[in-house]
Amino acid sequence: EAQVTQNPRYLITVTGKKLTVTCSQNMNHEYMSWYRQDPGLGLRQIYYSMNVEVTDKGDVPEGYKVSRKEKRNFPLILESPSPNQTSLYFCASSTHLQGNGELFFGEGSRLTVL
Amino acid sequence: DAKTTQPTSMDCAEGRAANLPCNHSTISGNEYVYWYRQIHSQGPQYIIHGLKNNETNEMASLIITEDRKSSTLILPHATLRDTAVYYCIVRVPSSNTGKLIFGQGTTLQVKP
Repeated sequence: EAQVTQNPRYLITVTGKKLTVTCSQNMNHEYMSWYRQDPGLGLRQIYYSMNVEVTDKGDVPEGYKVSRKEKRNFPLILESPSPNQTSLYFCASSTHLQGNGELFFGEGSRLTVL
Repeated sequence: DAKTTQPTSMDCAEGRAANLPCNHSTISGNEYVYWYRQIHSQGPQYIIHGLKNNETNEMASLIITEDRKSSTLILPHATLRDTAVYYCIVRVPSSNTGKLIFGQGTTLQVKP
C-alpha cells in the first residue's frame, strides 16, 4: 500500500531536548516536504526536498533541520525544541518528474513542547 | 508558486451541491490548480486538479474560469462526511521549486 509514515504520532517533550520526527515513503517519490499546522494559520511549509541531498527552506524553517540521505526518508530535526514549536506536523511526498503531482500526506505528528 | 484566496467558512445542506470558490489571480501559464481537503486533523487528502479545462472525478468537479484567475470546486451531493477544511493551491507538477503555499482553506460545514 502506497503511504507516507510518520513517527512518532504523538510526543510530549521538554524545552531543549533534541528530537527527531521520522518520515518515510514507499512510492519512490523525489519530492518530500514538512508542514506544520497551527490553529488559524493553515498549513505552513517548513522545509522541502526535491531529491536526495537537495533540501531547501520553506516559509517557517527557523528552529528546524532536515536531511535527505536516502530517497525514502526525510527526518525533521528539532535541535533545541521550544514551546512555540508545539504543533501538528505533516510530512508529504510527491513525484515531480512525472505523474500528476499529487501530494501524499502522512497522518501527522502532534508535538507538545513544555 | 502563486498564492490563493478562499473564504474562511461555508455552510451547505446535506444532499445539496457545495460550491467552494478560490481566487488565484497571479497564476502563471504552467501552474495547475489543486484541491485538497483535511478532515479533523488527519493528513490532507487529494481531491482533484486541473489546468484550464473543467475536470470531474468520482469525488468532485473543478470549474476553472477562462482567464484562469479563479476556480470552483463542486461537491455535487454533499454528505456529512464532506465536512472538512478544503484547500486550493496552485503548482507546477514538475516544478523546479518545491515551495507550496496552502493558505488557511475553507471550512465547509455540511448540515443535516
